[in-house]
Amino acid sequence: AQSVTQLDSQVPVFEEAPVELRCNYSSSVSVYLFWYVQYPNQGLQLLLKYLSGSTLVKGINGFEAEFNKSQTSFHLRKPSVHISDTAEYFCAVVNDYKLSFGAGTTVTVRA
Amino acid sequence: GAVVSQHPSWVICKSGTSVKIECRSLDFQATTMFWYRQFPKQSLMLMATSNEGSKATYEQGVEKDKFLINHASLTLSTLTVTSAHPEDSSFYICSASVDRVGEQYFGPGTRLTVT
Repeated sequence: AQSVTQLDSQVPVFEEAPVELRCNYSSSVSVYLFWYVQYPNQGLQLLLKYLSGSTLVKGINGFEAEFNKSQTSFHLRKPSVHISDTAEYFCAVVNDYKLSFGAGTTVTVRA
Repeated sequence: GAVVSQHPSWVICKSGTSVKIECRSLDFQATTMFWYRQFPKQSLMLMATSNEGSKATYEQGVEKDKFLINHASLTLSTLTVTSAHPEDSSFYICSASVDRVGEQYFGPGTRLTVT
């Protein structure tokens, strides 16, 4: 079964600084990867997804991720964060049509 | 487009009672709906998958008699927590998909507190 590992449980960052959230997946023939954001007491919002094609994926709110097959990674990046980016971020992989989520990374943006 | 709603957003019930949570796809027909449970500061755990008109498929360790799922139409799935206990207190999130392998659209979640 495919799975993902989020390498950082908490990432504190200052406003306007860049941020990278790391995600590694277990190797497989075909991989569909997602990054979701969850604000407190809310559901999940899709940031971006990789299904095929270009390995650099651009999403909403200025986020992007790069699919790296050789390193089995799908790290999420944003060049300049805002206070409003404070949230929980989940990496996920499709596993037999079901989504398997990583443990999540808490991003806290400070002024 | 692709909006999923949940009702209620927040519910408190007494131990031993049952609670029903609704999940609706507002602007599309969802042949497949998923129910997740999330404990504080933890990730989402898939409880079950339901397809319209058929019985739900439960994940290992999830009690099907305790968490009753009904997917009666292409826009509505319900989760009923029967004989609720304090340990059932959690955040329940549903998602909907146009087909079995398609992208999932998530609802805003329901906070259940059992006293």
